Amino acid sequence: QVHLMQSGAEVKKPGSSVKVSCKASGGTFSNYAISWVRQAPGQGLEWMGGIIPIFGTANYAQKFQGRVTFTADESTSTAYMELSSLRSEDTAVYYCGRGGLARVWGGYSYILDYWGQGTLVTVSS
Amino acid sequence: EVVLTQSPGTLSLSPGERATLSCRASQSVSSSYLAWYQHKPGQAPRLLIYGASSRATGIPDRFSGSGSGTDFTLTISRLEPEDFAVYYCQQYGSPPPWTFGQGTKVEIK
Repeated sequence: QVHLMQSGAEVKKPGSSVKVSCKASGGTFSNYAISWVRQAPGQGLEWMGGIIPIFGTANYAQKFQGRVTFTADESTSTAYMELSSLRSEDTAVYYCGRGGLARVWGGYSYILDYWGQGTLVTVSS
Repeated sequence: EVVLTQSPGTLSLSPGERATLSCRASQSVSSSYLAWYQHKPGQAPRLLIYGASSRATGIPDRFSGSGSGTDFTLTISRLEPEDFAVYYCQQYGSPPPWTFGQGTKVEIK
């Protein structure tokens, strides 16, 4: 059974950075993708992007380009999402999710078959 | 970028009734690469349907997905109490971003 365990809640100051981890167990890690999705209070799900650990390639939503970095450590089956220059609007629950790779448009697509429990990031002065 | 529009915004139904949720794409979704998720407050979302019509592991058969091109539907044949939640669609048939629809809330009438 695949299980994704995320790091705990964070409280950050505006302008700082946060790094959220997502450790996978119960299945292979490298042959899948890890996506990141967030939900701000009262809002819907927002796709941030993802990474394919075996290739080391990442996709980022344009909204977060330059401010977010996805990494993955295959040796520990752990993915990371680092978001910098935090502002109050970044207050949200951040989710990771694992998904299989689909060769669709000449590249790989992936969705979220299994989800982590979520990490609340609060940005407040 | 493919934009997904879900309707209705809120669906008020009673347990045992049939729920029909719509997801319309701004462009044709390649090979019906569309997924549906269920999200309950305080929980992680759950994948229900992928490839427009394939149920994910462990999903009851009262959930079904259909559609192609730009119009997709999630149907819950008979609502159970645990089905009241928010439902999102996501397309993944084109280069990223793979954004979500804005969601449909299924609430108890």
